[in-house]
Formats: sequence, C-alpha cells, structure tokens
Amino acid sequence: GQQVMQIPQYQHVQEGEDFTTYCNSSTTLSNIQWYKQRPGGHPVFLIQLVKSGEVKKQKRLTFQFGEAKKNSSLHITATQTTDVGTYFCAATPRREYGNKLVFGAGTILRVKS
Amino acid sequence: ETGVTQTPRHLVMGMTNKKSLKCEQHLGHNAMYWYKQSAKKPLELMFVYNFKEQTENNSVPSRFSPECPNSSHLFLHLHTLQPEDSALYLCASSQDSPGVAGNTIYFGEGSWLTVV
Repeated sequence: GQQVMQIPQYQHVQEGEDFTTYCNSSTTLSNIQWYKQRPGGHPVFLIQLVKSGEVKKQKRLTFQFGEAKKNSSLHITATQTTDVGTYFCAATPRREYGNKLVFGAGTILRVKS
Repeated sequence: ETGVTQTPRHLVMGMTNKKSLKCEQHLGHNAMYWYKQSAKKPLELMFVYNFKEQTENNSVPSRFSPECPNSSHLFLHLHTLQPEDSALYLCASSQDSPGVAGNTIYFGEGSWLTVV
C-alpha cells in the first residue's frame, strides 16, 4: 500500500545547531501536514502545504513541499531545548487511494544544552 | 488545551478485565478516530467514524470494540486484552470526512494503557 517514509528516525543535536527531517513518498501527494508531539504529549498540528514548491515559515521552522509533490521537509534553525519531541509528516495521497491521511513514522529530536 | 478530551489518562488492566476508554470532542467536528501509538512504531489508525457511522476498521482484533453514540462521543471498549496491546491510545477528530484532502486531525491527550 501507499507509504510515507520519514528520515531520519532519530537525531540528537547540540542546542543552536540546525535540524532537518524529510518525508518522501513514491506517490504524488495532494497535500502534506506536519505535526509535533512533545515527550509525554499528543501530536499537535503545525502546518499544511498544498502547492507544488510551496515554502512556509513559522519563526525558526521552515516547511517545504517538493516541486513534484512527492516529498517535503521541515527545517529548524538554531534549535532550542523547547524543540524536543517527535515530528510527524502526514500526507494525503492522490484521490485514487481514497484521500486517506497517512502518517510517517516520525523523527525524534533531542536537543542537548 | 485540546478540544478533544480523553478519559482515563492512565489505565492498568488485567487480561481478563473489561474496561472502556472515553473520548469527547468539543469542536463540532463530524469525524472521530482511534489511533494506537506503540513505542518505536508509526501511528496506527484503528477506527474511523464519520457522522457517527463507522467507515473504517483497519483489521483491528475484536477484543477492541468501538462505539460512537453521536458525533461528539467515541468509546473504545476493551476486553481480554494482551500485554502487547499496552500502548498510548489517541482519540482524534476532524471537521471534514476522512476522504477530504487536507483534513486536519486534532488529537486528544491520549490514554496510556498497560495490560498486565
């Protein structure tokens, strides 16, 4: 079935370093969403990308949607300890797959101060 | 604060017990979901309800039995569970039906279940 692959599984960075997580699909995506789950918490919606090549920013977070709408990335500039958690992408493959929202496995981010 | 409330937050049950997880959404959404989150595994969609009708059951064992009496409430009835069923069970809701592209999912805080 359709899958959304997310890499890396885990990243441990020094505070102040940048961080990027990638989401890839073999299927063209209608849109992609990003969620953050703090340790012990629940996933919280961050943003949605819809257009090919779209770039959106939220303070130190930059989200990109690939030109072919098959991949996306989340980049955090100058990480802080408040950034720790698991970042999930969730994508809606094109209509022939029923428009189900498929979650990636998540990237666990740890920030060392 | 989330608009999706789950109780209990923590539950320990024996393999012969019967218990239920409860979820209520205060967002006026039409769709509700149960997800299972285990350590080192992706979020697993279990059940989907749209306008209180079940639209999806992702091959979930019958020891998990959902109930959706109305669009705001969702239950997960548990009986004769196994230790490997221990996980975080997340309830979620969305405004639109699951078939609508770009549907944003709002999660509850989850119920941590331990089966002993």
